[in-house]
Amino acid sequence: SQTIHQWPATLVQPVGSPLSLECTVEGTSNPNLYWYRQAAGRGLQLLFYSVGIGQISSEVPQNLSASRPQDRQFILSSKKLLLSDSGFYLCAWSSAYRPRGEQYFGPGTRLTVT
Amino acid sequence: ELKVEQNPLFLSMQEGKNYTIYCNYSTTSDRLYWYRQDPGKSLESLFVLLSNGAVKQEGRLMASLDTKARLSTLHITAAVHDLSATYFCAGGDTGTASKLTFGTGTRLQVTL
Repeated sequence: SQTIHQWPATLVQPVGSPLSLECTVEGTSNPNLYWYRQAAGRGLQLLFYSVGIGQISSEVPQNLSASRPQDRQFILSSKKLLLSDSGFYLCAWSSAYRPRGEQYFGPGTRLTVT
Repeated sequence: ELKVEQNPLFLSMQEGKNYTIYCNYSTTSDRLYWYRQDPGKSLESLFVLLSNGAVKQEGRLMASLDTKARLSTLHITAAVHDLSATYFCAGGDTGTASKLTFGTGTRLQVTL
């Protein structure tokens, strides 16, 4: 069966510090991968998605970036965090072989920028 | 660009009552999804609706899709406290990568 992992689970970082969040998927190959952010009490905002290694599409211009160095690894990064980067970051995957299938979400990383 | 709207945003209901959450979307979408989120947790897939007239049921929840009206509903029958959560609908964008556009969510609180 497929499993999606995210780490760390929680993170407290000062403004201006760098960020690296990691997401890995097990039990499937060539997944579509997504990064979302959820501000407190709000809906989900799609940040990035990827259909393959090295292929990243950005949905919202901001100080975040994403990379996909391996087939089942997705990384979200920032060189300098802003207060507005605080939120709940969710990674998700979907099957490239089931284009109408649902997305499956990881447990999330709660980021607080102080 | 696909836009998805849910209403109500907040719903407080008594145990045993019935209610419906509505999800409208702005442009053609060939699929609609419902997710549940418990406080502080991730999203859990509830239903996948892939065709006009599709109806799915799981326990006290039933979801339906009307693509002509661009409307999906999530009906709650005889609510129980365990159903308290935030419910999101999401429409599928056409094109690659199976992108989804999420609604703002409906926070459901079931009281005794």
